[in-house]
Amino acid sequence: DAKTTQPTSMDCAEGRAANLPCNHSTISGNEYVYWYRQIHSQGPQYIIHGLKNNETNEMASLIITEDRKSSTLILPHATLRDTAVYYCIVRTRNSGNTPLVFGKGTRLSVIA
Amino acid sequence: SAVISQKPSRDICQRGTSLTIQCQVDSQVTMMFWYRQQPGQSLTLIATANQGSEATYESGFVIDKFPISRPNLTFSTLTVSNMSPEDSSIYLCSVEAGTSGTAPYEQYFGPGTRLTVT
Repeated sequence: DAKTTQPTSMDCAEGRAANLPCNHSTISGNEYVYWYRQIHSQGPQYIIHGLKNNETNEMASLIITEDRKSSTLILPHATLRDTAVYYCIVRTRNSGNTPLVFGKGTRLSVIA
Repeated sequence: SAVISQKPSRDICQRGTSLTIQCQVDSQVTMMFWYRQQPGQSLTLIATANQGSEATYESGFVIDKFPISRPNLTFSTLTVSNMSPEDSSIYLCSVEAGTSGTAPYEQYFGPGTRLTVT
């Protein structure tokens, strides 16, 4: 079973920041927080991951609370192409032992 | 990263028949995974396939229904056997790529095979 809780859906105006929350209150010390997204009719796409520090890449920023029980994915300037289902997943970093387990995710709709 | 292709991209099949889905990766990978995504649902892991060993199936999935081959480090097939309308789903191949101690072990996904069983 997925170890995360996410809102079912969210809307965001185009050009504004999209902030997607995720609760992972049972995360263990060796588990990372990963974010993937799935645009309609495509395979899931990796976005970002983190352990305890905040992370940023060309796609998004990941803010993890100090107690690591929750996190927020931030898309700084959402575009229509960011409309997708966003999955927050916790897993260990070790090879092969923990393939991704997907929850229901958050359906983000970016509105013009 | 890894680039993954799947064949066919979609198919419509009659119940009782079987379909083999091919997954090709542009680099050698140890771990490959097969997922199913039923209409309107999230992804569910079917099995993990290592080259040179039998696939490991998740609860609810059996080898007779979903036989998997993994003949080398860049290729795998998933067969959906004796299909029924309940097997109508998107089937996705996924691989793990990364270097121990440096980049994380990330999973990459193929575009999926959309199967409709009538």
